Amino acid sequence: GAVVSQHPSWVICKSGTSVKIECRSLDFQATTMFWYRQFPKQSLMLMATSNEGSKATYEQGVEKDKFLINHASLTLSTLTVTSAHPEDSSFYICRPTGGNTEAFFGQGTRLTVV
Amino acid sequence: AQTVTQSQPEMSVQEAETVTLSCTYDTSENNYYLFWYKQPPSRQMILVIRQEAYKQQNATENRFSVNFQKAAKSFSLKISDSQLGDTAMYFCAFMKRSGGGADGLTFGKGTHLIIQP
Repeated sequence: GAVVSQHPSWVICKSGTSVKIECRSLDFQATTMFWYRQFPKQSLMLMATSNEGSKATYEQGVEKDKFLINHASLTLSTLTVTSAHPEDSSFYICRPTGGNTEAFFGQGTRLTVV
Repeated sequence: AQTVTQSQPEMSVQEAETVTLSCTYDTSENNYYLFWYKQPPSRQMILVIRQEAYKQQNATENRFSVNFQKAAKSFSLKISDSQLGDTAMYFCAFMKRSGGGADGLTFGKGTHLIIQP
C-alpha cells in the first residue's frame, strides 16, 4: 500500500517560536494534501486543503497566517505553525491523496507549546 | 454540508464477543463513500472498511462488516470475534464522490471501543 511519512512525530517548542511539520508521500504523487488537527479525546478536524502548486484553502476559523501550508511538489507538503502559543498544542495529521488513496494518513505530529 | 453522527462515545465488550458500532449521516449527495477508521493509542489512522454508496452489497473485511442502509442513512460496523487488539477509537467518515479533485473526509466524533480480557 501507499506509504506516507510525517515528521516529526512529536515536538516541544517555546511559545512564540515556529514549528515546521513535513508530510511526504513516498510512493505516489499527492496532488492534494489535507491537514487535520485533533485535540485530546476529539475527532479530526480539517484545517486546510492544498493542491500542488496552488495556495491552500483554509477552513472557517483557521488562521492562514498562523498555519502556513506549502505544497510545492507532488511528494512533499509542509505545515508551519508560526508564533506558536500553548493553545496551538495539538495532534496534527496529514492525508495526501492522488487517485484512490483516501485511506492513507501520516503518522501524526504531537505538538506541545510551552 | 455533510454531518456524521456516532451516538456511542464508549463501548466495552468481552473478548471474542461481537460488537456493533453505530453511525448515521446526513447528506444531499447521491454519490459518496463511507469509511470506518481505527485509531489505536499510537494515534495512527488505519482504514478498517470502505463502502461505496452506489453498491448495495455490504462491505466485509475479515472480522469486520458493515450494515449499510442508504435510505436510512445508516452505516454501522460489526466486529466479530473481538480481540484485545481491537481496542481503539473508531471513527465513521463520509466523503463526496466528486467528478474531479479529491474531497475532504467528514468525521464523526468517534466511539472508544474497549475489549476486555
